Amino acid sequence: QVQLVQSGAEVKKPGASVKVSCKASGYTFTGYYMHWVRQAPGQGLEWMGWINPNSGGTNYAQKFQGRVTMTRDTSISTAYMELSRLRSDDTAVYYCARDDGHYDSSGYYAHSSFFWGQGTLVTVSS
Amino acid sequence: QSVLTQPPSASGTPGQRVTISCSGSSSNIGSNYVYWYQQLPGTAPKLLIYRNNQRPSGVPDRFSGSKSGTSASLAISGLRSEDEADYYCAAWDDSLSGHAVFGGGTQLTVL
Repeated sequence: QVQLVQSGAEVKKPGASVKVSCKASGYTFTGYYMHWVRQAPGQGLEWMGWINPNSGGTNYAQKFQGRVTMTRDTSISTAYMELSRLRSDDTAVYYCARDDGHYDSSGYYAHSSFFWGQGTLVTVSS
Repeated sequence: QSVLTQPPSASGTPGQRVTISCSGSSSNIGSNYVYWYQQLPGTAPKLLIYRNNQRPSGVPDRFSGSKSGTSASLAISGLRSEDEADYYCAAWDDSLSGHAVFGGGTQLTVL
């Protein structure tokens, strides 16, 4: 069965960076886009961006441009999200989410719904 | 400020029918499918409705979705205590280079 297992909770100081991992199993890792979504305490869901595990191509929300880097290691079916220059308002649960879309006949990826990892709490505090 | 607009809260008594609305624009709901996610306390979101009105296997038929123009709604009939959760609508937005957008979430209370 499809599983996304994320790395454990992190505590970081302001200005530092954090790298969260998301190990996929139960499907062909390179066949589906992977997204990252975060949720601050008591708040809603905020989309951060996606990575195409096949090509390594990325697309980030404007809010995170310049601070976020999404990468992958296809040899171990793992996606990563690194957020730099952390601030206190980056404290949140970070989710990876598999995009259940598909490639159409022209090679275009049609996005669809998300299958979520369990989440990783990142706390930014001095 | 979320791109999609949902009421922050909704409530109902067991057995009742409740609806949660989600309002967007022509670039997201108006031209793309709507998805609904259920988030139980302390857990990751779970897909409830895809492609406007389709239920994944395992989701009870008490849950239904609809879409009209730039708005969508989620209906829950025969409300049960275990339906108490946060509900989020989502869509893809063509004006944002295919970015995903979410509603702010609706906290459902079963009285």
